[in-house]
Amino acid sequence: QKEVEQNSGPLSVPEGAIASLNCTYSDRGSQSFFWYRQYSGKSPELIMSIYSNGDKEDGRFTAQLNRASQYISLLIRDSKLSDSATYLCGTGFQKLVFGTGTRLLVSP
Amino acid sequence: EAQVTQNPRYLITVTGKKLTVTCSQNMNHEYMSWYRQDPGLGLRQIYYSMNVEVTDKGDVPEGYKVSRKEKRNFPLILESPSPNQTSLYFCASSAGTGFSKNIQYFGAGTRLSVL
Repeated sequence: QKEVEQNSGPLSVPEGAIASLNCTYSDRGSQSFFWYRQYSGKSPELIMSIYSNGDKEDGRFTAQLNRASQYISLLIRDSKLSDSATYLCGTGFQKLVFGTGTRLLVSP
Repeated sequence: EAQVTQNPRYLITVTGKKLTVTCSQNMNHEYMSWYRQDPGLGLRQIYYSMNVEVTDKGDVPEGYKVSRKEKRNFPLILESPSPNQTSLYFCASSAGTGFSKNIQYFGAGTRLSVL
């Protein structure tokens, strides 16, 4: 059974700093990974998908995939108050598995 | 507007009373799925469907039924709800299951309480 592990947090960072969110996965055969953001009481929305080893950048967000260590991360540069949310990492194509989420708090 | 629509948004019911949560998408997506989200347990997949009449179990299918008779609709059925099914439920759809197609678009959620 696939598993995805995340630290539940909260991770607290000051506004303007870099936030680093991490996730490990158990199935070495996993090929497809996601980061979703979920505001309190709302549905998850996609931040990044990543399928290849290495880094993928989109604006202030960088997703990193390290297959050797079975590790994915999300870096948020220049953190804003509006980045305060829970971040879910997930994997899969048909059967999808998500971590429990890391709560990020960006303070003024 | 492209969207996944769930109804109802909130539901309070009693143990054993059959209920259906509807889900509809207007993006012509092939893949649809149901999740439940519980504190400390995260988002867990209940059932998924890769196309009409094709459904399969996720990680927590016990106590739930689904059907996919039309491409746009994927209702979740609780034949005999129990209090441990009190949860926040999300329906999601994606274009398919391949690379770049498997991005999940989520509905707004249904908060279910079973007394």
